[in-house]
Amino acid sequence: AQSVSQHNHHVILSEAASLELGCNYSYGGTVNLFWYVQYPGQHLQLLLKYFSGDPLVKGIKGFEAEFIKSKFSFNLRKPSVQWSDTAEYFCAVVGTGTYKYIFGTGTRLKVLA
Amino acid sequence: ETGVTQTPRHLVMGMTNKKSLKCEQHLGHNAMYWYKQSAKKPLELMFVYSLEERVENNSVPSRFSPECPNSSHLFLHLHTLQPEDSALYLCASSQDLAGGAGELFFGEGSRLTVL
Repeated sequence: AQSVSQHNHHVILSEAASLELGCNYSYGGTVNLFWYVQYPGQHLQLLLKYFSGDPLVKGIKGFEAEFIKSKFSFNLRKPSVQWSDTAEYFCAVVGTGTYKYIFGTGTRLKVLA
Repeated sequence: ETGVTQTPRHLVMGMTNKKSLKCEQHLGHNAMYWYKQSAKKPLELMFVYSLEERVENNSVPSRFSPECPNSSHLFLHLHTLQPEDSALYLCASSQDLAGGAGELFFGEGSRLTVL
């Protein structure tokens, strides 16, 4: 079955701590990969995406993610989080050439000032 | 500010009511989507429209009826809903479907409560 797993449902960090959010997917084919973020009271917005090429992709606000094909993973990282990174983060995959996104259940990140 | 606007932001309705959710995108996109977001569940794709033609109905009950009068507007008509239909309903758009969906642009959602 096609699915996306985000193992951390809630994460609490202090400012300046490093962040890594796990994302693993199950899909029988080539995929495009995304991380979306939802700040409190705001709409879901794209954080970064991977379509092809360099498996290490950089997004907005200092976030990056690495696609490891052999592990079916696309983990999100940030070396030093800020209070403003408090949000819910969603990993998603879509089969290349298709439109049916598969989303994970999300990870709520709270950064303590 | 989002390029996708949803109204109303909050809606409370009884099980016998008929109401509609509205979505408008100002991005010139050709594809529009309805998603359902429930607590602790992944976003569920409900409907997809491409150039005003429905291309996906993801086994959604008939009490949900979508309408896409033009490429900028999308409606979700609701009637005889059940309490388990209470959720956040998200509208999204993308440039088009050719070659895949690409990036989705979301509205802020309509929070629906069914009593």
